[in-house]
Amino acid sequence: EIVMTQSPATLSVSPGERATLSCRASQSVSSNLAWYQQKPGQAPRLLIYGASTRATGIPARFSGSGSGTEFTLTISSLQSEDFAVYYCQQYNNWPPSGTFGQGTKVEIK
Amino acid sequence: EVQLVESGGGVVQPGGSLRLSCAASGFTFDDYAMHWVRQAPGKGLEWVSLISGDGGSTYYADSVKGRFTISRDNSKNSLYLQMNSLRTEDTALYYCATGHRGFFDYWGQGTLVTVSS
Repeated sequence: EIVMTQSPATLSVSPGERATLSCRASQSVSSNLAWYQQKPGQAPRLLIYGASTRATGIPARFSGSGSGTEFTLTISSLQSEDFAVYYCQQYNNWPPSGTFGQGTKVEIK
Repeated sequence: EVQLVESGGGVVQPGGSLRLSCAASGFTFDDYAMHWVRQAPGKGLEWVSLISGDGGSTYYADSVKGRFTISRDNSKNSLYLQMNSLRTEDTALYYCATGHRGFFDYWGQGTLVTVSS
């Protein structure tokens, strides 16, 4: 099984600042990597797929990069609504599906 | 607008059974593979099961294989998860989600399953 490791576990950022979240795969997943945002009491929302393609309706301040085993989600200028938990997910062995990272919580500094 | 509405959660004793449902609307249901993904209280996300658009192929996480059965009724735009031999570690919020490319495009709000004596 491919293990996904996210860092840091918690990221404290001030509004307007840049946030950089990392996700590492235990073996290559090519570009088969997605990012999700989950706010308290809500379902996850797809942000990025194919490592760098924004999902429908996702603001341009969210960007994804990387391939192979190292991936990054960047939020260029944090807005109040961006404070949430972010998960990466690999789907290189689709079907059936893939594994999630343990999440990074982005909190207000 | 895509809508996924789960139901059927509740409290059940260890060893018991429960059937979850997911009502879908806003898209051509039988064009999409569908998934169940769960989240234990305060924990991360775990993929549970997948069914193809025509229902002919199903897949399960090792943690539920042999105990859970996924199915769908395309005439009713509905997805199901039959859960048998439930364990305390199955306690979670269960989401249905669309996902025909390996990732999960749309999610329902979830239904809570609590396995406790």
